[in-house]
Amino acid sequence: ETGVTQSPTHLIKTRGQQVTLRCSSQSGHNTVSWYQQALGQGPQFIFQYYREEENGRGNFPPRFSGLQFPNYSSELNVNALELDDSALYLCASTLYREGGYTFGSGTRLTVV
Amino acid sequence: GIQVEQSPPDLILQEGANSTLRCNFSDSVNNLQWFHQNPWGQLINLFYIPSGTKQNGRLSATTVATERYSLLYISSSQTTDSGVYFCAGGFTGGGNKLTFGTGTQLKVEL
Repeated sequence: ETGVTQSPTHLIKTRGQQVTLRCSSQSGHNTVSWYQQALGQGPQFIFQYYREEENGRGNFPPRFSGLQFPNYSSELNVNALELDDSALYLCASTLYREGGYTFGSGTRLTVV
Repeated sequence: GIQVEQSPPDLILQEGANSTLRCNFSDSVNNLQWFHQNPWGQLINLFYIPSGTKQNGRLSATTVATERYSLLYISSSQTTDSGVYFCAGGFTGGGNKLTFGTGTQLKVEL
């Protein structure tokens, strides 16, 4: 059973640029959620994808968007990057409305 | 909004000691999970425990949903237990998100 894999592991971008983060869900899971974790804080929910559609969203602006593909993998896109977007971005997969979440190792994004 | 509070915020133990971490939540949960975040940032799922008690080796957890709290017990602690422990809840009417607590930073010393 494969776990959740995220790429890239680290990324440095300039303010105003756009970034795409990728996530492959654990085998057998059909739901992917994205979280943002700032230094010293708990993860904050960005959004969740199920059946290739957004299925719940946290308090994040529209420049945060995502996709889910037929194989349940997912992308997180952030446009017009701001310095405050610097954080660890975590992807988690689960079976819809069942059981625990499995998290990936995260992508550490630095915006300069 | 939904509040998830964890205590203590910081904990230092000698190797071999036992500890109890607490998670209080402000609303009814339908999904309560405990995670350990290692120094490299990965969140490891320890327990999915919306109610009742579970044990896994030296770790056990109990959730009393009617009283809105959960406890994580660590026995015979080891240096590899160091890191941040988070509880996270999914709440009725809260959509599909998990709301995380602020975490307990645990350091186990030799």
